[in-house]
Amino acid sequence: GDSVTQMEGPVTLSEEAFLTINCTYTATGYPSLFWYVQYPGEGLQLLLKATKADDKGSNKGFEATYRKETTSFHLEKGSVQVSDSAVYFCALSNYGGSQGNLIFGKGTKLSVKP
Amino acid sequence: DAGITQSPRYKITETGRQVTLMCHQTWSHSYMFWYRQDLGHGLRLIYYSAAADITDKGEVPDGYVVSRSKTENFPLTLESATRSQTSVYFCASGPGWYEQYFGPGTRLTVT
Repeated sequence: GDSVTQMEGPVTLSEEAFLTINCTYTATGYPSLFWYVQYPGEGLQLLLKATKADDKGSNKGFEATYRKETTSFHLEKGSVQVSDSAVYFCALSNYGGSQGNLIFGKGTKLSVKP
Repeated sequence: DAGITQSPRYKITETGRQVTLMCHQTWSHSYMFWYRQDLGHGLRLIYYSAAADITDKGEVPDGYVVSRSKTENFPLTLESATRSQTSVYFCASGPGWYEQYFGPGTRLTVT
């Protein structure tokens, strides 16, 4: 079945460092891909999305490019801030698949130190 | 205010008790979802609903009951709570299953 694999955390960075969180997927058809962020004590928020190959999703300085050839959707940010400390979830939604719901990775916890 | 709300935010109950978690959304989204979040498992889908009076099982439906008589509400009932149902429960809604907006969560402890 469809699945999402993201890098294990926790990831600890200093402020202004470059961030990459890896995400790869397995899916039939043409899935849409998402990054969600969960700040401490809160629900998940949609951070960015991409619906077809080579699309780049971006929001709040974060970017991710849908790479069908490598089945990847890595999250990047050029300069992280303390306020970016959160858990990040990669997810896919596959209209062509048998499951009508979002498939989430297990999440990657990011801690940014001042 | 527009959005999605959950109540209660925190709940402690005893084994064997029935408990209902409420979810309300004001966007008129067709789809609504219930997830549980546990360490080591990430988010797992319990039930979802494509429209009023239409519900379907997710990955982990056992021990839970849902209903959706109105588009804006999607309550989740634990008919006889067990310790293994201690978790954080998130409700979500969306225009389709392809894009979901999450509530703030309910932290449930079963003693």
